[in-house]
Amino acid sequence: EVQLVESGGGLVQPGGSLRLSCAASGFTFSVYWMSWVRQAPGKGLEWVANINHDGTEKYYVGSMEGRFTISRDNAMTSLYLQMDSLRAEDTAVYYCARSPATGTVDTWGQGTLVTVSS
Amino acid sequence: DVVMTQSPLSLPVTLGQPASISCRSSQSLVHTDGNTYLSWFQQRPGQSPRRLIYKVSDRDSGVPDRFSGSGSGPDFTLKISRVEAEDVAVYYCMQGLHWPWTFGQGTKVEIK
Repeated sequence: EVQLVESGGGLVQPGGSLRLSCAASGFTFSVYWMSWVRQAPGKGLEWVANINHDGTEKYYVGSMEGRFTISRDNAMTSLYLQMDSLRAEDTAVYYCARSPATGTVDTWGQGTLVTVSS
Repeated sequence: DVVMTQSPLSLPVTLGQPASISCRSSQSLVHTDGNTYLSWFQQRPGQSPRRLIYKVSDRDSGVPDRFSGSGSGPDFTLKISRVEAEDVAVYYCMQGLHWPWTFGQGTKVEIK
């Protein structure tokens, strides 16, 4: 069974840092693009970042570039999101998602909640 | 960024009746490979999103055939032929051609 399990969310103060992890299982992790997507409370879905199969290509949404870093460890079948200089508006559920091919995602994790507040 | 505009944002439907959600893209979604990268997702209350449709009209495995996607740029449609109680959810269209990939605002389907 294909599974994505996020962890690492929690409460952090403005300006702080957090590292999210996504453990993948049930498929050949090293051949897939992976993504982070977030959803603020009561709001819609917003893309965060994409990474190619071997980590050599990374794409970020403008407002997060320079503050967030996406990475992966294919040996550990894990995806990561390092989030620095966090702001209140970064408060959201962060989902890990798999891209089976260009232009879409087909599997989502259950999400991990990040709350930025003093 | 490509703007995806959905309508309506709220859709009350009677059980057993059809429902239709529109999505308009601000730019072409046609790749040089000939495919159009428009997907539809369903998010039930308290759950993660689930993909229903990809490349405009290809239905995911396990998705009931009452769900169908159609359209060509810039207008796309998700149709539910006969709404069931389990279809109560927010539905999002998404373009995956231009970075950053973008979603529509979401359409909330509820039972009248």
